[in-house]
Amino acid sequence: DTGVSQDPRHKITKRGQNVTFRCDPISEHNRLYWYRQTLGQGPEFLTYFQNEAQLEKSRLLSDRFSAERPKGSFSTLEIQRTEQGDSAMYLCASSLRASGTGAFVSYGYTFGSGTRLTVV
Amino acid sequence: DAKTTQPPSMDCAEGRAANLPCNHSTISGNEYVYWYRQIHSQGPQYIIHGLKNNETNEMASLIITEDRKSSTLILPHATLRDTAVYYCIVRASGNTPLVFGKGTRLSVIA
Repeated sequence: DTGVSQDPRHKITKRGQNVTFRCDPISEHNRLYWYRQTLGQGPEFLTYFQNEAQLEKSRLLSDRFSAERPKGSFSTLEIQRTEQGDSAMYLCASSLRASGTGAFVSYGYTFGSGTRLTVV
Repeated sequence: DAKTTQPPSMDCAEGRAANLPCNHSTISGNEYVYWYRQIHSQGPQYIIHGLKNNETNEMASLIITEDRKSSTLILPHATLRDTAVYYCIVRASGNTPLVFGKGTRLSVIA
């Protein structure tokens, strides 16, 4: 397993078009996160899944955004009717939340290299 | 919202120790301190985390003050490849997603 993979690395789209990004997490990781990052800012949390369940969504995730993780493995993030303000780096991360010695242990996140979206 | 304060930028000479400070004066008793870094055009990378004891791994050391209101990440022998943005994050439980601030841009200079 070579880490978290994101596809595509770059996407240029016209305003109003729909785009979909894919994230393949580390295979044994049960949690998957989506973040968005604009120039000069830290990553902003969008949503996360534990297995196939979407457990939390940020207020940043407008109705035009939808994320899925249908089989608890890879995830997709779709943006409908893209706007210029959607231009950003979209980052995916995965982590393992596992039980150990009777308590849940949460490990650090492993991030992918991101998908850079440019809306023109 | 980020609960930490970091200087926006720092310089460090190659081969010297880089000491990156972080203030987290409102930290709660159950919150851990995490450090990540982000090299240009890559996703953030986990470095280290701790609760109250000092921690060391192959990448860095984390020194947390006794009152836990601040911490310092130490890169003992900085190299040019350590040039990155370093994020200090406080986080309570594994159910809470990481919240990133703007971090500290560390430039290692030859």
